[in-house]
Formats: sequence, structure tokens, C-alpha cells
Amino acid sequence: EPEVTQTPSHQVTQMGQEVILRCVPISNHLYFYWYRQILGQKVEFLVSFYNNEISEKSEIFDDQFSVERPDGSNFTLKIRSTKLEDSAMYFCASSRRQTTDTQYFGPGTRLTVL
Amino acid sequence: AQSVAQPEDQVNVAEGNPLTVKCTYSVSGNPYLFWYVQYPNRGLQFLLKYITGDNLVKGSYGFEAEFNKSQTSFHLKKPSALVSDSALYFCAVRDPDAAGNMLTFGGGTRLMVKP
Repeated sequence: EPEVTQTPSHQVTQMGQEVILRCVPISNHLYFYWYRQILGQKVEFLVSFYNNEISEKSEIFDDQFSVERPDGSNFTLKIRSTKLEDSAMYFCASSRRQTTDTQYFGPGTRLTVL
Repeated sequence: AQSVAQPEDQVNVAEGNPLTVKCTYSVSGNPYLFWYVQYPNRGLQFLLKYITGDNLVKGSYGFEAEFNKSQTSFHLKKPSALVSDSALYFCAVRDPDAAGNMLTFGGGTRLMVKP
């Protein structure tokens, strides 16, 4: 069964450094998403991406964040200058279409900012 | 704006007993509703969804959920709990009239099934 994969599983970085989190969505899916979950809190939507552009973003997704689909398989989340409060689990998800299809989540990348 | 409430942080049930994990939602239109489960150090696994049609939906691992429009609820149920069902359960809602397909999650309910 196809799965969403994410690398790395754990990333440790210093405050102010740039990080890139990588995801490989399910191959025939057209919509891609990033969510995050700060330890002990709820899962929060960051951004959705379709047809090589952002279709929706939350207020969390400020200028420090960017997303890209650099090739036919990868989907990346970049944080330009990490802050302590960016420490969280970041989940990538994908779905086939926008309407009724399920979003399937990857295993997550745990980002620790020191 | 859409929102989800899971009023119980934790639900304890004995193995073999029925379980219910509660979820209520708020959305402007007709909702799309989802349940996901998260095991330790794992991602979110899809259990079931309600889009339209029969109010009782059946999903993976024997779970089911009932959509109740008048009570704006979508409670997750299972007739006979297993110890292996112990995990964190998230309810999520999507407003089909909103752009971008954003899911809004509840705070999660930890299910503990004791032998």
C-alpha cells in the first residue's frame, strides 16, 4: 500500500539556522499539505499546495516558511530562520483531489530547535 | 471558521467493553468529518470519514462513527475494545465550501484499554 514518507525522522538545529523538511507524497496524489503538532498540543494546519502553488495557508505560515515541489516526487517545507517555538512534529500529507478524498499523513519529522 | 471539540482528554475502558470517543464540531456548511489514530512515535493513520449519505460509517479495525447533524457530533465507537486500541484519537473537520482543503483537528483523546 502506498505511503507518504518523510525525511529526516528527527532534525536538531540551532536557532536562526535554515532547515528543509522533505516529503514524498503518494504518487498519484495532486494535493499536498504540511501540518505541525507542538508537543502536547493539537495538530495545526500550515499550508496546502496544488498545481505548483499555495492554495491556502494559515496564520502560522508566515514569511519564514516556504514550500516547494522541486521535482515530480518531492515536496519540501523550508524554515528560513528557525525559532525555539518552531520545535514541533511536522507532518506532510497528500490527497488525490480537493473534494472528498482522504488526506494521508506521513510519519512526521520531529524538529528540535536549540 | 471551523472548529472541533473533543471534550475528554482521556477515556479508560476495559478490554471487551464498548468504547466511545466523543467529538463535536462547528462548521458553516455541511461538514466532512474524519477520525485519525496516532500510535506513539507514529504519524496519523486514517480510520474513517463521513462525507454524505448513511449517518453510520464503518472504518478500519472495527471502528465506526455516527454523524448526528442536530447535535453536531461525530462520536467514534467500537463494540468491543482491544488493548491494542490504546492510542491517541483525533477528530477532524473540513468545510467543503472553504478553499484549500484544510483539516481542523480536535485536541485529541487518549484511549486507554486495560486488560
